[in-house]
Formats: sequence, structure tokens, C-alpha cells
Amino acid sequence: AQSVTQLDSQVPVFEEAPVELRCNYSSSVSVYLFWYVQYPNQGLQLLLKYLSGSTLVKGINGFEAEFNKSQTSFHLRKPSVHISDTAEYFCAVSERGGSNYKLTFGKGTLLTVNP
Amino acid sequence: GAGVSQTPSNKVTEKGKYVELRCDPISGHTALYWYRQSLGQGPEFLIYFQGTGAADDSGLPNDRFFAVRPEGSVSTLKIQRTERGDSAVYLCASSFGQASYNEQFFGPGTRLTVL
Repeated sequence: AQSVTQLDSQVPVFEEAPVELRCNYSSSVSVYLFWYVQYPNQGLQLLLKYLSGSTLVKGINGFEAEFNKSQTSFHLRKPSVHISDTAEYFCAVSERGGSNYKLTFGKGTLLTVNP
Repeated sequence: GAGVSQTPSNKVTEKGKYVELRCDPISGHTALYWYRQSLGQGPEFLIYFQGTGAADDSGLPNDRFFAVRPEGSVSTLKIQRTERGDSAVYLCASSFGQASYNEQFFGPGTRLTVL
């Protein structure tokens, strides 16, 4: 079984400031890692995913995340946020190589970008 | 192209009633997932279809919940004898092929309120 912990339920930042949204996971098997974003009144959208290879993954809208196996973390970062980045962000994992393709999500982090 | 669609967008019902929630996946996607998102929580897995068959229904909370996908495309989630605790946003997602690293595309969800 897997579990995902997003340490911050809310993160307020000012426009053009850097941001880091933290994600830690626990799993007895190897996993793939994902970040999804949910804008107000919209469906979840994939930001980026880590499958293998380079531990630094770049996604859409200038976001990137770094996989750290020893710390079982997959933190999301952006060097300079915009008002339009205001949304809820979800970290998720799925089992690598198994027959169960479900995503296990964290509780989400609400990012609020203020002018 | 068209994304995942879900109907209705909102459903209000009374305790004890029966409800059906519909999901129309992206054309050609063989995998279909249902998740439930309660207030302040991340999405939680309910059931996964590969084609017409339910490959994993381990997330269904009890036997009041049932889902079908008779022709391998549209899916219906059915809830009998609804309870107030069933109130949540029900999300549907679809993906192409059989792999846990494939991106799941989410619909906007159906908000179910049980009075």
C-alpha cells in the first residue's frame, strides 16, 4: 500500500516570489510520482511526472519537481509564481510495474498567489 | 479534442434515494477510473475498468456502490440507498493503454449532495 503526505494544506505567496510545495510518500514497492493541479471549477490536470532517469523533472507552466529516493520526497517548485498559478496542487503515486494502476493522492495544497 | 465529460455536474438527492452518475471518457481510452473527493481531501480511488470489465473494485466503500461499463466506453456509477456521508465530488478519469505511468485525464466531476 502507498500513502502520500502533503505537509502544507495552504501556501500563500506574493506574485513573482518562488514557491515550494512539499510531498513525501510511503510505499512498500517502487512507485511512479505525479503532480496534478486543479484550477477553480476545472478538472485535475497533469503538471509533471517522474518515471525514471534524471531526478529533476520539468513540467508545464514553469513548474519542476525533484525526486529524492532517500528522503522519499517529490517536492514541487517554481522560481517565480503568477496570479494565475492560484490553484490546488495534488501529489500522487502509482505502483510501478504492477497490475493496479490507481493513483493514490495526498490531501492537496492550496496555493494562493497574492498581488 | 473532447475531454472526459461527466453528467450531471451537480446532483442533489434525499437520503435513501438511488442515483446514477455518468462518465464519458476520451474516445479510444481503454482504461477508466472513478475517484471520490470529499471536502478537504484528495481524490480516493473507487474502481478501475479495463475495457468492459472491472479490473479493480477494491476502493468501493460498500455494496451500495456499483459501476458498469457495458460497451467499454461510457461508464455509470450507481449508488443505492444514499447516505449523507456519500456527499462528495465524484471524479472520472480515463487513460490510454495498460500502464500505471500513463497520464490519467480527469473530468470536471459530479458534485453529489445527499440531504
